Amino acid sequence: GNSVTQMEGPVTLSEEAFLTINCTYTATGYPSLFWYVQYPGEGLQLLLKATKADDKGSNKGFEATYRKETTSFHLEKGSVQVSDSAVYFCALARDDKIIFGKGTRLHILP
Amino acid sequence: EPEVTQTPSHQVTQMGQEVILRCVPISNHLYFYWYRQILGQKVEFLVSFYNNEISEKSEIFDDQFSVERPDGSNFTLKIRSTKLEDSAMYFCASSVFLLGTQTSGVFFGSGTQLSVL
Repeated sequence: GNSVTQMEGPVTLSEEAFLTINCTYTATGYPSLFWYVQYPGEGLQLLLKATKADDKGSNKGFEATYRKETTSFHLEKGSVQVSDSAVYFCALARDDKIIFGKGTRLHILP
Repeated sequence: EPEVTQTPSHQVTQMGQEVILRCVPISNHLYFYWYRQILGQKVEFLVSFYNNEISEKSEIFDDQFSVERPDGSNFTLKIRSTKLEDSAMYFCASSVFLLGTQTSGVFFGSGTQLSVL
C-alpha cells in the first residue's frame, strides 16, 4: 500500500545550522510529494511540493527533490532560523487523498 | 487570506457521548475532508466529501462517524458514541480541485483537539 516514513524527532539544532529531514515513500505509480509544516497553534500549511521525478520543490529557503530511484523526498535548508521551529510532515497524494508521515518536530535554538 | 475555520479548538467529552466537530471551509471550495492525528502518530485520512455525498472513506470511518454539510457553509463531523480511542486532533480541509490534480489548493484548519474521558 501507500505509505510515508520520515525520521523520528525531535530534531534540535542551533540557529544557522544545516537541516535535513529524511523522508521515503512507498506508492504505486507516481504520486505527488509534499512537505507540510505546522507551527504551534496553527493548522497544516503546504511548504513545498513536487509532482514528478527529479522535480525540486522550494519555498522559504527549504528544498526537496523527488528521487524516484531512491523513493525519497528529503527536506533540506541551508541555514535554519528560530522561526522554523515547527512540526514538519512529509506526505504523498494518491487516490484522491493525502497520506502523511508521522511528523518531525524541529526545535531551533538561538 | 482565506482560511478554514474549525470550532471548538478543544472539546472534552465523556465516553459514550455524541460530539459534533464543526468546520467552515473556504467559500468557493468544492471538496471537503476530515483527517485526524492521534498523539504521536500519523495524520490519518478519514473521509472526503463532494457534491453532498461521501466520495471516499477510510476503514477508520465506521458507522459511529458521519459527516454533513447542513447549510452550504458548515461541514461537520459527528461521532455518535465516543470511545477513548477517538481522542485525537481532528483536522478539516477543503480544496477547489480534486486532490490528485491540484493539491496545492488544499487548505487545512487549525484542528479540534478531542479528549474522551
